[in-house]
Amino acid sequence: DAGVIQSPRHEVTEMGQEVTLRCKPISGHNSLFWYRQTMMRGLELLIYFNNNVPIDDSGMPEDRFSAKMPNASFSTLKIQPSEPRDSAVYFCASTLAGGQAYNQPQHFGDGTRLSIL
Amino acid sequence: EDQVTQSPEALRLQEGESSSLNCSYTVSGLRGLFWYRQDPGKGPEFLFTLYSAGEEKEKERLKATLTKKESFLHITAPKPEDSATYLCAVWGSSASKIIFGSGTRLSIRP
Repeated sequence: DAGVIQSPRHEVTEMGQEVTLRCKPISGHNSLFWYRQTMMRGLELLIYFNNNVPIDDSGMPEDRFSAKMPNASFSTLKIQPSEPRDSAVYFCASTLAGGQAYNQPQHFGDGTRLSIL
Repeated sequence: EDQVTQSPEALRLQEGESSSLNCSYTVSGLRGLFWYRQDPGKGPEFLFTLYSAGEEKEKERLKATLTKKESFLHITAPKPEDSATYLCAVWGSSASKIIFGSGTRLSIRP
């Protein structure tokens, strides 16, 4: 079975450029999460979608970050403009949730390692 | 404010040497405590969910336990393939989202 697929695996770009990270959740899953992982702050939840609708975006650090889920099989996380402090590994996860999505096992992709120069 | 603290930060064991990892939490109204395993260059992999004090769950050489203030991940007779970072996370009724600890980096020497 295909797991959560993220692209690209690595991204290196210069400060000020727009960055788009992509995620394909596991087929049939109805909840999708975007996380950021750094050495300093660990794994942080950025945003959570349920049935393609953003439910909790309280973790999105600032207006430079935006996320969309146009359909059940695709989501994007965009940073515009990017800054060096955005360098991190960004993970996407999905789960099948009937109600309380946080209580369900989350299936993570292998992440996008983002470096902003 | 909900908090999760994991200890130790790193642990090196000899193959077969059993030990425990600790996850201390402060949360109002625990809805769930979760353990994940993360290998280098990979995303976290789900291990266990615990809901109430006294609950225990096992999987191969791993056993997770829960009290009102902390959770332990016991590893019995570990093998080198158990080497990974183990993450603990909590979801409480006062928080709108899941919160992860900083992890314990476990290394098992053959």
